[in-house]
Amino acid sequence: DTGVSQDPRHKITKRGQNVTFRCDPISEHNRLYWYRQTLGQGPEFLTYFQNEAQLEKSRLLSDRFSAERPKGSFSTLEIQRTEQGDSAMYLCASSSGTGSSPLHFGNGTRLTVT
Amino acid sequence: AQSVTQLDSQVPVFEEAPVELRCNYSSSVSVYLFWYVQYPNQGLQLLLKYLSGSTLVKGINGFEAEFNKSQTSFHLRKPSVHISDTAEYFCAVTLLRGNTPLVFGKGTRLSVIA
Repeated sequence: DTGVSQDPRHKITKRGQNVTFRCDPISEHNRLYWYRQTLGQGPEFLTYFQNEAQLEKSRLLSDRFSAERPKGSFSTLEIQRTEQGDSAMYLCASSSGTGSSPLHFGNGTRLTVT
Repeated sequence: AQSVTQLDSQVPVFEEAPVELRCNYSSSVSVYLFWYVQYPNQGLQLLLKYLSGSTLVKGINGFEAEFNKSQTSFHLRKPSVHISDTAEYFCAVTLLRGNTPLVFGKGTRLSVIA
């Protein structure tokens, strides 16, 4: 169990640029989640996958956000035309797929939009 | 939809003193409940979970929590805290049935004072 890994750890970008983050889940986990966390807040759900299927998206996920998990393994989260309000910690988590299974989180990608 | 309220945003406590971090949830159906801890610049780590059975659950690092269905609460306790317990603590809930993602509270910052 090597844990959930996220890349990069930090990303600074200028407003209007596109960014992409990667998440590698625990290998035997079929569910993968993306959350966003801003200062002083708890993680807010963005979207999740079961294998390669994207099963749910939050209304927080505007059209500028897109996530993929093409082969049911790693996932990418892309933000197009970044805005200053996108600055946050983006957390990825994986689980074995039942409601009682806890989420295992990565260390997150901190995005700063200048 | 389910929701979580963490009643205290910050809790300062002296080393070796007991602590209780409060969590109340809202749901019209049965739930699973979790507590996570987040150390600076890290992802979230599971402390403990309530799925069913005994209402008192024990977790890592000497923490425990009690599920109270009538009061819809899941308060976290530790009889004697250490400096290393200084962190952000998040309560989270998901529904027993269905594929609903985990919903987090806003967190409680525990500061242990020497």
